[in-house]
Amino acid sequence: QKEVEQNSGPLSVPEGAIASLNCTYSDRVSQSFFWYRQYSGKSPELIMSIYSNGDKEDGRFTAQLNKASQYVSLLIRDSQPSDSATYLCAVRVFSGGYNKLIFGAGTRLAVHP
Amino acid sequence: KAGVTQTPRYLIKTRGQQVTLSCSPISGHRSVSWYQQTPGQGLQFLFEYFSETQRNKGNFPGRFSGRQFSNSRSEMNVSTLELGDSALYLCASSPRDLNPNTEAFFGQGTRLTVV
Repeated sequence: QKEVEQNSGPLSVPEGAIASLNCTYSDRVSQSFFWYRQYSGKSPELIMSIYSNGDKEDGRFTAQLNKASQYVSLLIRDSQPSDSATYLCAVRVFSGGYNKLIFGAGTRLAVHP
Repeated sequence: KAGVTQTPRYLIKTRGQQVTLSCSPISGHRSVSWYQQTPGQGLQFLFEYFSETQRNKGNFPGRFSGRQFSNSRSEMNVSTLELGDSALYLCASSPRDLNPNTEAFFGQGTRLTVV
């Protein structure tokens, strides 16, 4: 089982709709969770971080974390064509006394006008 | 505040050669991590440095190595290049390595093509 799993997509949503991106992780001691957006040919850009159970909102983005279910999600409200990108879920896990960031394979989001 | 700077942006090398990539983290950040990104494998962790010490290493062969200097700048080296080493190499900068909530910020990456 992969440490961080995401549906590869593509997830296609119409402009103005809510896009829901999901991520599950296997390491129960994971403490912090991040969402990155990566446009084609570009590097990942951090858009959200979440550390405790519940919701965290930032503009059109809402991250949701459920540690008991080992599940983290990202909601994008009022989706725009400019949101079309690959969204990477990342989990910081502890390994050998130090922590490292593990990434999922990413979900490709396509927002069509 | 300047972001993470990676040089060079693009590189073409021949099989068997070696290559050195450079990363300058955000000012004040002391932790640098390296990742390899390929279409088939996604983002794979290579290694992490903090205060000139390698703190963590991913599952890559010994041909991949790195180091960090006292000014936090980091280099990674790949020796005896193989075609499969063609990838986007990304450097991520973080303020501290032992804080689980620390955020990582990526540079633009170095696109390495091995021919």
